[in-house]
This record gives sequence, structure tokens and C-alpha cells, in this order.
Amino acid sequence: GENVEQHPSTLSVQEGDSAVIKCTYSDSASNYFPWYKQELGKRPQLIIDIRSNVGEKKDQRIAVTLNKTAKHFSLHITETQPEDSAVYFCAAMEETSYDKVIFGPGTSLSVIP
Amino acid sequence: DGGITQSPKYLFRKEGQNVTLSCEQNLNHDAMYWYRQDPGQGLRLIYYSQIVNDFQKGDIAEGYSVSREKKESFPLTVTSAQKNPTAFYLCASSYRGGNEQFFGPGTRLTVL
Repeated sequence: GENVEQHPSTLSVQEGDSAVIKCTYSDSASNYFPWYKQELGKRPQLIIDIRSNVGEKKDQRIAVTLNKTAKHFSLHITETQPEDSAVYFCAAMEETSYDKVIFGPGTSLSVIP
Repeated sequence: DGGITQSPKYLFRKEGQNVTLSCEQNLNHDAMYWYRQDPGQGLRLIYYSQIVNDFQKGDIAEGYSVSREKKESFPLTVTSAQKNPTAFYLCASSYRGGNEQFFGPGTRLTVL
């Protein structure tokens, strides 16, 4: 079955710097890759997603890149702000396999003012 | 907030007892999911369901059971066979075919 790895597990950056979180997946049939943000004490919420027919997607300060050949995808946050501090989860899903979604272990991002 | 609810928020159980966690959604989503969240281990999939009266095991289904008798409801039972049930449980729902999952507020289960 699908296995998703995520690095780093913790990340500290200065406010205004960029943050990059990387994930790898094992199942080449996976074709949908969402990213979720979970603030302390709150439920996870989708921040961006990408499908396997697209190499890159941007939404303001957030971007995701996908390399299908290498089976990895990354989240890029530019001009980080203190409110970006949270745990970020990547996930992979094979659409034909009953929509099974497997999450990575998470990255705790701290943005230092 | 997203139209998906879980109850109770906190639950205490004695060893050897079964307990059922509730998950309800009014988003007309076909797919529903149960995840377990432990510190440093992310969201681990317990069970998921795409249609009424059908569900599949996730990666850590042992000691858990579910039912999907209605589209809106996907209750999770933590049985006495689950050896380490103390955790935070999250329910989610989505449209099928690779779409945003909406999460409930979670239930924190503690076994005494």
C-alpha cells in the first residue's frame, strides 16, 4: 500500500524567510496530493492541493511542486509570518482505490518573529 | 464550521469496555474517513467508506469497527481488542475522486 514520508519533522525559520517541506510517496498510481495545515488545538484544513497532471501550483505565498518520476512533492511557503506556525501534513491518494488517503507524519513549523 | 460534527469531545473509558464515537455530516459527501492522531505520527487511517453499506480497512483497523447505514453518519467503535486506544480521533468527509477533506473537531479518548 501507499506510504508517505515527510521531512523535516520540525522546522524553524525567521519571519520573512521561506520554508520548504518535502514529501515522498511509494505508490506510482497515486494522483492527488493535498496539503493540510493544523493549528494548535484546531482541526486540519486544506491549504493547497495538486494533481498528477500538473507540475506546480501556486496560491499567493504558497506553492506546491510535484515530480512524478521521483515520486516526491514539496510545499513552499514564502515570506513566512508568525501565523504560518502550525503542523503541516502532506498526503497522497490513489483515486481508483476507493479514494484512500494516506498522510505523512507531519512537519511542525515555527516562524520566529 | 464545515458541517461535520463529532461527539463527544472528551471520552473516558475503562479497560475492557467498548465505546462508540459519533461522526455526522450534512455536506452531502459520499466519502467518510476515520483517523487516529498521536503525537509525532500524523494522521493514521483507521477505516474509510465511499458509499452507504460499504467500507474498507485502513492501515490500523485492528481493534476498531465501523458502520455506514446512512450517508450522513459514520460511527466508530473502539473495542476492547484495541490495545492502546488512548488517542485523538478525527473524522473527515469529502466528495469522491480526490477532493478536499473536511475534518470534524475530534474526540479525545482516554482509557483509564
